Amino acid sequence: DAKTTQPNSMESNEEEPVHLPCNHSTISGTDYIHWYRQLPSQGPEYVIHGLTSNVNNRMASLAIAEDRKSSTLILHRATLRDAAVYYCTLNNAGNMLTFGGGTRLMVKP
Amino acid sequence: DAGVIQSPRHEVTEMGQEVTLRCKPISGHNSLFWYRQTMMRGLELLIYFNNNVPIDDSGMPEDRFSAKMPNASFSTLKIQPSEPRDSAVYFCASSTSGSYNEQFFGPGTRLTVL
Repeated sequence: DAKTTQPNSMESNEEEPVHLPCNHSTISGTDYIHWYRQLPSQGPEYVIHGLTSNVNNRMASLAIAEDRKSSTLILHRATLRDAAVYYCTLNNAGNMLTFGGGTRLMVKP
Repeated sequence: DAGVIQSPRHEVTEMGQEVTLRCKPISGHNSLFWYRQTMMRGLELLIYFNNNVPIDDSGMPEDRFSAKMPNASFSTLKIQPSEPRDSAVYFCASSTSGSYNEQFFGPGTRLTVL
């Protein structure tokens, strides 16, 4: 199974941009890169996904390296409500997600 | 849409008892997933159904665990007999088929086995 590697934790100031990195050096050509986040005492929540091109949605942006071995989730203006564990996962052709340890994002007011 | 519905939200039971967790996926979704989350092991996929058929159950820990999906709107995860090490939060998620499709997670069932 393709694995992802993320920093255990990151800190950000409120209203500043946050760049959350993820390495997935063993990604295969058909794997989609998905990001989820988990707020305290809740189930994971979808954030964004992509295959090769950078992607934007109302929640975040996803920047994918040209060789696809890494990606970065960008929160343009962090708020206190963005404090969560962010998971970078790979979705294979079998539609299954493998979650790693994620990055715990702390946002300071 | 009510989202993925799980019941019960909390379950406390004694070792050796049977536990049944329930899940109602989002209407129209044909893929259903059961996950388990613990501090030690993180979020693990237990089993994946597509069109009510189990596709991959390699994550099911042992024979004490079983999952069924009798129809498109209902799934159960059963543990019999339960053990203290089964204590965890169990999540159900659903999606439409395809590796580009997002999974929608339920609120989870927090299971405590004494």
